[in-house]
Amino acid sequence: ETGVTQSPTHLIKTRGQQVTLRCSSQSGHNTVSWYQQALGQGPQFIFQYYREEENGRGNFPPRFSGLQFPNYSSELNVNALELDDSALYLCASSTRTSGIYNEQFFGPGTRLTVL
Amino acid sequence: ILNVEQSPQSLHVQEGDSTNFTCSFPSSNFYALHWYRWETAKSPEALFVMTLNGDEKKKGRISATLNTKEGYSYLYIKGSQPEDSATYLCAFDQAGTALIFGKGTTLSVSS
Repeated sequence: ETGVTQSPTHLIKTRGQQVTLRCSSQSGHNTVSWYQQALGQGPQFIFQYYREEENGRGNFPPRFSGLQFPNYSSELNVNALELDDSALYLCASSTRTSGIYNEQFFGPGTRLTVL
Repeated sequence: ILNVEQSPQSLHVQEGDSTNFTCSFPSSNFYALHWYRWETAKSPEALFVMTLNGDEKKKGRISATLNTKEGYSYLYIKGSQPEDSATYLCAFDQAGTALIFGKGTTLSVSS
């Protein structure tokens, strides 16, 4: 069974640029959630995708957008990068099945630095 | 705004000590509470999903309890080992969508 993978591991961008982060779900999972962990904070929910549609969104501006593909992999896109976007971005996959609680399995994260 | 608090923020113990951490969460609209263990440079690892008031879960030397009426969960580690050094996160589950995380408790175990 393959776990959740994310790419790239690290990324450096400059303010105003755009970035795309990628996530491959664990085998058999149909739901992907993205989280941002800023320094000294716990992970914060950005959004969740289920069957290629957004299924919930946290308090993040529209310049944070996502996609989920038919194979359940996902992308997180951030436009017009700001210095405060520097953080670790975590992807988590899970299965939305009746009776099974929302156990989310995390990837190792992508460290984004905005200069 | 939902708030999940964890205490202490960090903890340093000697090998063999037992320790416990606290997670406080909203007591209304409870769905589930998750505990994760996160070692540096690795993925957060799911420890427990707790759903019922009074739940007690155990995995090896680690156990957790849940009180949904008063909004807290305890995580216990018996006989801490250096390999237990990690950040322990709890997360309040918003009905199967978002996990609302605390800031974590960072445990350091010296041999």
